[in-house]
Amino acid sequence: DAGVIQSPRHEVTEMGQEVTLRCKPISGHNSLFWYRQTMMRGLELLIYFNNNVPIDDSGMPEDRFSAKMPNASFSTLKIQPSEPRDSAVYFCASSPGTGGFTDTQYFGPGTRLTVL
Amino acid sequence: SQELEQSPQSLIVQEGKNLTINCTSSKTLYGLYWYKQKYGEGLIFLMMLQKGGEEKSHEKITAKLDEKKQQSSLHITASQPSHAGIYLCGADGGSWGKFQFGAGTQVVVTP
Repeated sequence: DAGVIQSPRHEVTEMGQEVTLRCKPISGHNSLFWYRQTMMRGLELLIYFNNNVPIDDSGMPEDRFSAKMPNASFSTLKIQPSEPRDSAVYFCASSPGTGGFTDTQYFGPGTRLTVL
Repeated sequence: SQELEQSPQSLIVQEGKNLTINCTSSKTLYGLYWYKQKYGEGLIFLMMLQKGGEEKSHEKITAKLDEKKQQSSLHITASQPSHAGIYLCGADGGSWGKFQFGAGTQVVVTP
């Protein structure tokens, strides 16, 4: 099994630019999660999907952030416009069930975003 | 919202010694997860506890959830260099839905 795949692994961009992060969950998994991690704030849940439907987006920091899951094998997290405070490692995770957090979550390697 | 407090924030332990990390919740836990991470890398799932009094072990790592389901401990026996990293607890609060993580405990294992 290839595991959760994220791209790009590293992204450096300038303030004001649009950033798109991509995630391919484990095949057959029904839930997908986006997280952000920084030294200051730790690990934060941004949004999660069950069967491609957004269930809880209360962790999305503001309107500049948006996430989509057009099908079971692909999701994107977009930041427009990006700001230096968005610099963080962004993780995508998937789980086999739809029970929210009662299933094991399998994390991808993360995308390290730097906004200059 | 529920808060998870981990202690200690960091610890240095000599190889071969035991260590314990605690995770305390302000509310009843419906599911408590332990993960290991190297900073900036993905999380490795260690184990999940759901029932009060439950205890699980994996190799030299044991985790317990207390009877009142508001505190969990992670215990490593005879620590090895491979145990170094950041350990995070995560919690599912049930009806309030939002999954949260503790701030993490950094473990350093010295020769």
